[in-house]
Parts: sequence; structure tokens; C-alpha cells
Amino acid sequence: ILNVEQSPQSLHVQEGDSTNFTCSFPSSNFYALHWYRWETAKSPEALFVMTLNGDEKKKGRISATLNTKEGYSYLYIKGSQPEDSATYLCACDYGGSQGNLIFGKGTKLSVKP
Amino acid sequence: DGGITQSPKYLFRKEGQNVTLSCEQNLNHDAMYWYRQDPGQGLRLIYYSQIVNDFQKGDIAEGYSVSREKKESFPLTVTSAQKNPTAFYLCASNPGGASYNEQFFGPGTRLTVL
Repeated sequence: ILNVEQSPQSLHVQEGDSTNFTCSFPSSNFYALHWYRWETAKSPEALFVMTLNGDEKKKGRISATLNTKEGYSYLYIKGSQPEDSATYLCACDYGGSQGNLIFGKGTKLSVKP
Repeated sequence: DGGITQSPKYLFRKEGQNVTLSCEQNLNHDAMYWYRQDPGQGLRLIYYSQIVNDFQKGDIAEGYSVSREKKESFPLTVTSAQKNPTAFYLCASNPGGASYNEQFFGPGTRLTVL
């Protein structure tokens, strides 16, 4: 059974702090990794799709890296703002053709003003 | 507005009753998915469909059924055979089914069995 692990489970930071969290996954037959942001009462929203070892993606204050050889991805948030408060989901695909994803349990981030 | 809609937002069902959750998309996406979320767990795949009139079981299909008669619609029926149906259900779609394409999610339906 393939297992995608996210840590920490939850995180509380002050506004302005930079933070990061981890997604660990089995590296064998890896095809793609997705990061989603899920705000309360809203739909999950895609942040990044990453496929290549060494990939780095950036969107505003949020960036992500990927290491497919050791099976991990980091998500970084620089200068956290209260609007960054959300659950961040990591999902991996091992099949490629059907788009089926295996999700981690998420990291819940709370940013205090 | 393009997107995915799910209805209703909250649904209550008596034990032993079947119930159907709606999922509609106007994104012209070929692939659609149903996930279930339980407290402390990641999203788990129930059923998925790559094309109209075709669908496949996911990891936890027992007690559920789907249909895909139209490209825009992928309703999920929770049958009385589902032992623990109380959960949050998310529908998603994907342009072509390849995993490097992001999945677009609906707002979800929370089902409670009384």
C-alpha cells in the first residue's frame, strides 16, 4: 500500500514568520506530485504540480521543491500572512495515465495576526 | 463562471436509505473523480471516470455506485450497503486524466447518517 506522509500535522505561526512543511512519499515508480491549498469552507485549490527531480516551483511567497530520489517535497511560505491559514495537501501519482492521486493527510497551518 | 458544483452542501439520511450526491462541471473535462474524507485521514478515491459511459472503482468503492451518462455529470449514490457513510465527499475533474494535470475540486457535500 502506497503511503504519502505529511508533517507536521498542524502548525501555528505568527504573522511574518516563514515556515515550511514536508511531504514524504515512496520514490519507486513516482510520476508526479501535487500541492493543494484547502481553505475552510472552500474547494481545494492547486498550487503546484511537480514531476522532475530537483524541480523548484514558486508562486508569490510560496515555493516548493522536489526530490524524487529520496522521496520528499518541501513547501515553503515566506512571511506568512493570516490569509495563508489553510490545510496544505500533498498528493502523488504512481500510474501516470489515469490521473489517480494518493493524498497525504495534510498540514493545517494557522497564522496569527 | 467555469467550475464544479456539488449539491447539496449538507445531507442527512436515515440508516437504510440510498442517497445520491450531485456533481456537475462546465469545464469540458473528460475525467471526473469522487473522494471521501474522514477525520484524520487523507482523501480516498471512491470511483473515477475517464470518459462518458465508462467508470472504474477506486480504493473504497464498496457500498457506492456511479454513472457517467453525460460529460458534465458524475453522480455518486451512497447505498445502504455502505457500512459507514457519514463523511465529507469531494468531487473533482481533470482535463485529460493525466496526473500532471491539476485536479479541480468542487466544494464538497457533508453526508450525515442519522
